[in-house]
Amino acid sequence: AQSVTQLGSHVSVSEGALVLLRCNYSSSVPPYLFWYVQYPNQGLQLLLKYTSAATLVKGINGFEAEFKKSETSFHLTKPSAHMSDAAEYFCAVSARGNEKLTFGTGTRLTIIP
Amino acid sequence: DAGITQSPRHKVTETGTPVTLRCHQTENHRYMYWYRQDPGHGLRLIHYSYGVKDTDKGEVSDGYSVSRSKTEDFLLTLESATSSQTSVYFCAIRLDLGSSGNTIYFGEGSWLTVV
Repeated sequence: AQSVTQLGSHVSVSEGALVLLRCNYSSSVPPYLFWYVQYPNQGLQLLLKYTSAATLVKGINGFEAEFKKSETSFHLTKPSAHMSDAAEYFCAVSARGNEKLTFGTGTRLTIIP
Repeated sequence: DAGITQSPRHKVTETGTPVTLRCHQTENHRYMYWYRQDPGHGLRLIHYSYGVKDTDKGEVSDGYSVSRSKTEDFLLTLESATSSQTSVYFCAIRLDLGSSGNTIYFGEGSWLTVV
């Protein structure tokens, strides 16, 4: 079984400040991990993914995430928030050999001007 | 763009009526999925398919059926729509192993309201 927990359903940061969105996973086998972003009334867009290569993964729009096996975490960060980063972010896990993707409940990011 | 088209994009229907949502892909990917998105629940898997006529249930499959008679089309049917099925439905495809390692791409969504 696999699961994802996203801490904080709503996060607010000031423009230019660090963005940190938290994700912890549970998986009985080595996982694939993903972050997706969803803008209002749109589908989900892949931000980045971890597939067992480098533990620090860089994605689009300046986001990155670090896989920490000892902490079972895959937190998403961006050094400097921009107004256009306001959206909902979903962490997801897929276990190797399992075709299904399991999502967290999402974190809505608000950027304060 | 993963070549996914969902139809209809918006639909209002009455309780008790059947509803079919269609997902069409242009790139012959083997795996296709239907998820629903609800506030506080994220995305939950309804059904998925791993080939023509090969389907399996997800975590919220009750009240839904699917069919895949062609590689490119994956249909989701609500046999008798209920208000609890008011949701946003997303179709997704998985890029086959060897290309992007289990990466799943989503369509634009179908907004369904059951009144």
